[in-house]
Amino acid sequence: ETGVTQTPRHLVMGMTNKKSLKCEQHLGHNAMYWYKQSAKKPLELMFVYNFKEQTENNSVPSRFSPECPNSSHLFLHLHTLQPEDSALYLCASSQGLGLAAEAFFGQGTRLTVV
Amino acid sequence: KNEVEQSPQNLTAQEGEFITINCSYSVGISALHWLQQHPGGGIVSLFMLSSGKKKHGRLIATINIQEKHSSLHITASHPRDSAVYICAVRPIIQGAQKLVFGQGTRLTINP
Repeated sequence: ETGVTQTPRHLVMGMTNKKSLKCEQHLGHNAMYWYKQSAKKPLELMFVYNFKEQTENNSVPSRFSPECPNSSHLFLHLHTLQPEDSALYLCASSQGLGLAAEAFFGQGTRLTVV
Repeated sequence: KNEVEQSPQNLTAQEGEFITINCSYSVGISALHWLQQHPGGGIVSLFMLSSGKKKHGRLIATINIQEKHSSLHITASHPRDSAVYICAVRPIIQGAQKLVFGQGTRLTINP
């Protein structure tokens, strides 16, 4: 248990569906991240939020829409996805964005787009 | 070529063996992380290093900033150590908030 909880753990969705991934952290951190891990590829940073404000969008397609209502919760809204978006989506949090900030990861949501 | 390269990509060993996983990077960094990812997907942070050496139980991590190289060692390996081990660096040039990941080393320890 890392203090970062993601739901659901598994999700299968059609290309026309709309779904949301949820991340919640109980660590009192103020920075939260979405990462994507595709098969046989390194983790890729998608979005960074610091104190609810988006500080980085790593050229992510608009069919992925993040939302950070407060420092403890982070969502990733999905719509009109493609099969190549199937991947493990990992949420992480850290205390600040500084050089010594250590990231704590959730268990991930394994997404399959059919 | 990735900014972070790990070797080997796959490693199979017998229980009790001494394990070394290597990480080389090509950019200036403020910190290097070693992470462990189990088959379910969750990632656990093992170490964060900016210099020298750290030890936690049977795990040892070292970093040589001048050579841009880090190693993760596991002593007296056990089947429960089977996982993917990921090296990640925090490049100075791209800002502190971005971690760049290696492709991971899949370790299998047989009983």
